[in-house]
Amino acid sequence: DQQVKQNSPSLSVQEGRISILNCDYTNSMFDYFLWYKKYPAEGPTFLISISSIKDKNEDGRFTVFLNKSAKHLSLHIVPSQPGDSAVYFCAASGGYGGATNKLIFGTGTLLAVQP
Amino acid sequence: NAGVTQTPKFRILKIGQSMTLQCTQDMNHNYMYWYRQDPGMGLKLIYYSVGAGITDKGEVPNGYNVSRSTTEDFPLRLELAAPSQTSVYFCASSYGLATYEQYFGPGTRLTVT
Repeated sequence: DQQVKQNSPSLSVQEGRISILNCDYTNSMFDYFLWYKKYPAEGPTFLISISSIKDKNEDGRFTVFLNKSAKHLSLHIVPSQPGDSAVYFCAASGGYGGATNKLIFGTGTLLAVQP
Repeated sequence: NAGVTQTPKFRILKIGQSMTLQCTQDMNHNYMYWYRQDPGMGLKLIYYSVGAGITDKGEVPNGYNVSRSTTEDFPLRLELAAPSQTSVYFCASSYGLATYEQYFGPGTRLTVT
């Protein structure tokens, strides 16, 4: 049962254009969402997050939008740069009780930004 | 400040062998995690720890064991390796709950043949 889904395995975008990466979730108890970026042969690195009390969070070129009614979030990168080429993972937490609130990861989307 | 370090980077095991994946963090984080990533899949939580001496199972704990005797170290033990354990293993740490950023190590690529 995949509770966090990234239905696009890959995305190709021209440099300077907008990249939009999508993520859907099924568990309405999730209350915190994160995006991680991963380069080959490296561990994931945190990019941006959003709490369920917000519908938008911006950090420089990166903006995450949350639509709770649709159980959907998206990551916008504007403008896209070749260095943004990486795998992007969506992750969600909450609804599990206990002190840790473990993360559930999606399967990732490979973004290729063409010069 | 090295962050999260993992050793080894690569390892090939024969079926039935055992090994320990090492993980060390120098950020004084209480929370540490072990994940595995299979091809085309997201990261799955194997075990986690909320502090020295306290560990608990994640989504996919079978075939693994952990210990946490210090804040810095969180080794993952594979007993009786099986081909299904072929994966990339990531260790991570965080200051607190999942709303805090998790810092990941570079990973260990393990092949069991």
